[in-house]
Amino acid sequence: DQQVKQNSPSLSVQEGRISILNCDYTNSMFDYFLWYKKYPAEGPTFLISISSIKDKNEDGRFTVFLNKSAKHLSLHIVPSQPGDSAVYFCAASYFDRGSTLGRLYFGRGTQLTVWP
Amino acid sequence: DTGVSQDPRHKITKRGQNVTFRCDPISEHNRLYWYRQTLGQGPEFLTYFQNEAQLEKSRLLSDRFSAERPKGSFSTLEIQRTEQGDSAMYLCASSSRGTGATNEKLFFGSGTQLSVL
Repeated sequence: DQQVKQNSPSLSVQEGRISILNCDYTNSMFDYFLWYKKYPAEGPTFLISISSIKDKNEDGRFTVFLNKSAKHLSLHIVPSQPGDSAVYFCAASYFDRGSTLGRLYFGRGTQLTVWP
Repeated sequence: DTGVSQDPRHKITKRGQNVTFRCDPISEHNRLYWYRQTLGQGPEFLTYFQNEAQLEKSRLLSDRFSAERPKGSFSTLEIQRTEQGDSAMYLCASSSRGTGATNEKLFFGSGTQLSVL
């Protein structure tokens, strides 16, 4: 059962515009959320994260928004650049004495294409 | 920081053969993870080591899979009697979450792509 869902397999955005990638989750125990970026033939690279006690975290061109009541988070990239073209994975984890915070639950990913 | 290193990058094997992958984590990281990614899916957790102790295993890790981290540094993942369903990208990640930290950031290697014919 997919606990983290990315319902848009692809997104195409013009350079300079905003890219908005969405993610929904079902497990209310999740308290830490991350976005990873993946280029072909490489492993996922950490991009930005947010704790459940916050509703926004910003790092340069990247901002993550968390809406706990809707169990929804989004990643905003502005302005988008061609180098941002990659697969973006949403991931989540929670603290559990029987588990590790490094046990991440990933969505299926969204392929972002930024065209000039 | 030389990153997480995985070897080999690609492995093609025949069904029924055994394969072994190696992961060298970032040197100061005490936590090491194995994930598996199949086509069209996100990475899925397989197992986790803290130093040399294997502390958690997913139900995805069948009896044919075994992972070790003998000296708390590099790790190996062995798959015995491979099946076509084992074809996937096997990803290793490491981290150094401190005591009391409430979050953890994983650094992934480039993965080993396994194809079972």
